[in-house]
Amino acid sequence: EVQLLESGGGLVQPGGSLRLSCAASGFTFSSYAMSWVRQAPGKGLEWVSAISGSGGSTYYADSVKGRLTISRDNSKNTLYLQMNSLRAEDKAVYYCAKGGLHSGSYRGWFDPWGQGTLVTVSS
Amino acid sequence: EIVMTQSPATLSVSPGERATLSCRASQSVSSNLAWYQQKPGQAPRVLIYGASTRATGIPARFSGSGSGTEFTLTISSLQSEDFAVYYCQQYNNWPPVTFGQGTRLEI
Repeated sequence: EVQLLESGGGLVQPGGSLRLSCAASGFTFSSYAMSWVRQAPGKGLEWVSAISGSGGSTYYADSVKGRLTISRDNSKNTLYLQMNSLRAEDKAVYYCAKGGLHSGSYRGWFDPWGQGTLVTVSS
Repeated sequence: EIVMTQSPATLSVSPGERATLSCRASQSVSSNLAWYQQKPGQAPRVLIYGASTRATGIPARFSGSGSGTEFTLTISSLQSEDFAVYYCQQYNNWPPVTFGQGTRLEI
């Protein structure tokens, strides 16, 4: 069974940093693109970032470019999101998801999703 | 960036009835469209990808159609567990992949 388990969320002050992790199991992690998608309280879904299976290609939403960094450790089957210079508008549940790069053998839809981790940015 | 627009924002339907949800893209996305269901407090789950292919384990009462800029998700006979928020997502032109704002399906 494919499983994704996020961790690392919490309360951080504006301008602060946080690192999210997503532990993957049940599939060959290095063969798949992975993504982060967020959802602000009571709002819709917003794609944040994606990374190729090797980690050699990364992509970001304009709203987070230069502040958030996606990475992966294929030896640990783990996806990361380093979040710097956090703003109030970054408050959201952050989901990791398998997929999100529609190219070659990669698929552009997200399946499955983790349960999410809440990031709150407040003083 | 491709803008995805869903309608209606809220759809009120009775159990056993048919529900039709719409999604429009600001430019053609071919058939590179997915539909998701999200229940309160849960992560989204994919229902349809490639505009019309049901994901593994999704009941046959869910069907998707359309291509280009107009897409439809149909639930043929609503069950109580189907009342949720539904999102469409295009993955034809990226980055970014983009989502619609969601349709809330209520009793």
